[in-house]
Amino acid sequence: AQKITQTQPGMFVQEKEAVTLDCTYDTSDQSYGLFWYKQPSSGEMIFLIYQGSYDEQNATEGRYSLNFQKARKSANLVISASQLGDSAMYFCAMREGWSQGGKLIFGQGTELSVKP
Amino acid sequence: DGGITQSPKYLFRKEGQNVTLSCEQNLNHDAMYWYRQDPGQGLRLIYYSQIVNDFQKGDIAEGYSVSREKKESFPLTVTSAQKNPTAFFLCDCRSGINYGYTFGSGTRLTVV
Repeated sequence: AQKITQTQPGMFVQEKEAVTLDCTYDTSDQSYGLFWYKQPSSGEMIFLIYQGSYDEQNATEGRYSLNFQKARKSANLVISASQLGDSAMYFCAMREGWSQGGKLIFGQGTELSVKP
Repeated sequence: DGGITQSPKYLFRKEGQNVTLSCEQNLNHDAMYWYRQDPGQGLRLIYYSQIVNDFQKGDIAEGYSVSREKKESFPLTVTSAQKNPTAFFLCDCRSGINYGYTFGSGTRLTVV
């Protein structure tokens, strides 16, 4: 069965420094998608970045980049130049194939705290 | 603007009472999904629908029911059989031909 694992329940980072949030996944599918979402205390899920399993280059979106290591089945999120507003829960998720419903499977999340 | 709307934002339920959470989208997306998030946890799938008049159970469907009579709407009913006291419910939708995913702002349900 597909599974997402986030091993860091909580992380601290100093403002303006970079931080890496870990995510490993398990799937037997060849085609899949990996996502990172940010959830502030308000509860909304904010899409950050996407990586397709066939994408050869690591995805980047502004200060966010995804370190995709397919052989190791890892999809770590790197946030550069952390800001106080980055403090939130971060979830890694994997999309199943459309024939399987296209649903997202989420990890348990990592709570990031940015210190001034 | 196109988007997905969940209502109400907060909902209180008495034990034994059924309540319905609304999820509406104007993005013309085919698939819609309901997730539950317990405090400090990730999201778990309750039900999903890839097409009108069809829906499938997710991982934690017991105590819930859904309908998909219109493409734009995917309401979730929490029945009296659902014993979970408090949870946050999120709805999302996506098209089958791209990877765009849009979440609603959520409904927080409390049993009183």
